[in-house]
Amino acid sequence: AQSVTQLDSHVSVSEGTPVLLRCNYSSSYSPSLFWYVQHPNKGLQLLLKYTSAATLVKGINGFEAEFKKSETSFHLTKPSAHMSDAAEYFCVVGGTGGFKTIFGAGTRLFVKA
Amino acid sequence: DVKVTQSSRYLVKRTGEKVFLECVQDMDHENMFWYRQDPGLGLRLIYFSYDVKMKEKGDIPEGYSVSREKKERFSLILESASTNQTSMYLCASSTSQREVWEQYFGPGTRLTVT
Repeated sequence: AQSVTQLDSHVSVSEGTPVLLRCNYSSSYSPSLFWYVQHPNKGLQLLLKYTSAATLVKGINGFEAEFKKSETSFHLTKPSAHMSDAAEYFCVVGGTGGFKTIFGAGTRLFVKA
Repeated sequence: DVKVTQSSRYLVKRTGEKVFLECVQDMDHENMFWYRQDPGLGLRLIYFSYDVKMKEKGDIPEGYSVSREKKERFSLILESASTNQTSMYLCASSTSQREVWEQYFGPGTRLTVT
């Protein structure tokens, strides 16, 4: 069975400092992995995706994530946080059976001025 | 850009009412999804549809039904609303089976059942 665990429910950083949002997954085969962002009162927006090509994936707004099979991780990073990055972030794994999509519980990112 | 729209941003209904949530996408996507989002639980799949008139149950289909009569429109129906269905409902769409997990979301409908 597949699963995804976001290791922090809340992360707080100061503007201009690095962001690290942690995600571990469990999958019996090579997964497709995604990060989505949800700003307040908005729907989810795709940030980036990993689909077995390059292990370092670049997304929108300066975010990137690295697929590490040995650690079963897909952590999201950004070198320098901006106030507009404050949002909730979801790590997602594509499941078996075609349509199954497994969402993590979410990490809320706070950015302090 | 893909646009997914939902008929209401906020909705207040009484217990026992029949509730319709509508979702429309404008990119000719084959797949459409309904999720509910609750704090600390992430998103949970209620139903999805991979073609007109086709539907599959997700993780939490109890108390819900769906309808897809046209490719661009996917409706979620609460036959008899209950207070435990108070939640944020998100609709999404995606193209083809290969890109099924790359989903485009609507803004959500926050439903309150009193």
